[in-house]
Amino acid sequence: DGGITQSPKYLFRKEGQNVTLSCEQNLNHDAMYWYRQDPGQGLRLIYYSQIVNDFQKGDIAEGYSVSREKKESFPLTVTSAQKNPTAFYLCASTNSGANVLTFGAGSRLTVL
Amino acid sequence: AQSVTQLDSQVPVFEEAPVELRCNYSSSVSVYLFWYVQYPNQGLQLLLKYLSGSTLVKGINGFEAEFNKSQTSFHLRKPSVHISDTAEYFCAVSPVYSGNTPLVFGKGTRLSVIA
Repeated sequence: DGGITQSPKYLFRKEGQNVTLSCEQNLNHDAMYWYRQDPGQGLRLIYYSQIVNDFQKGDIAEGYSVSREKKESFPLTVTSAQKNPTAFYLCASTNSGANVLTFGAGSRLTVL
Repeated sequence: AQSVTQLDSQVPVFEEAPVELRCNYSSSVSVYLFWYVQYPNQGLQLLLKYLSGSTLVKGINGFEAEFNKSQTSFHLRKPSVHISDTAEYFCAVSPVYSGNTPLVFGKGTRLSVIA
């Protein structure tokens, strides 16, 4: 079945470490997105990519980096510059032009 | 730019009672509107969407929503809720013909169904 796979599901990190969250889709979607979710704050856009080798900053890009070397993959790196990285991270993709997003199951990052 | 306001952060309701989750949006252009549902520790799943045509939209799990352009609202309703409807619900908006411009989400409404 087609879908989006995010890994790992749970991740623990010490302060000062970079971590990379994986997002892979087999839907042949062009556009991919990373959102951050915190309790009571909804979903906030970190980065998005509408085509391979191109991506744009979202509303809260500071302390994060991404790459889009392949259509099916859009990994997110949470760097040590991100001051409050503990959150639930959601990856999504779309190809419909009407912005109907398909979401992955999410990755929960906890900084110890 | 678009924005979304979900007027209630939490809505408790008894099982088999009706429920309405409120969503208002702001936009200077025509929009597409969406409701997504999120069960604990999972991703979001599309409930329903308004793209054009009839303003009453039916979705999965017995939910429906009505687009009201004059009031810039897109409230979600269900006539009789079940325990399994306990989840967080997100309203989202995007401009029409925007390509893949990212959706703007509201802050969510947590629906708790009480037995």
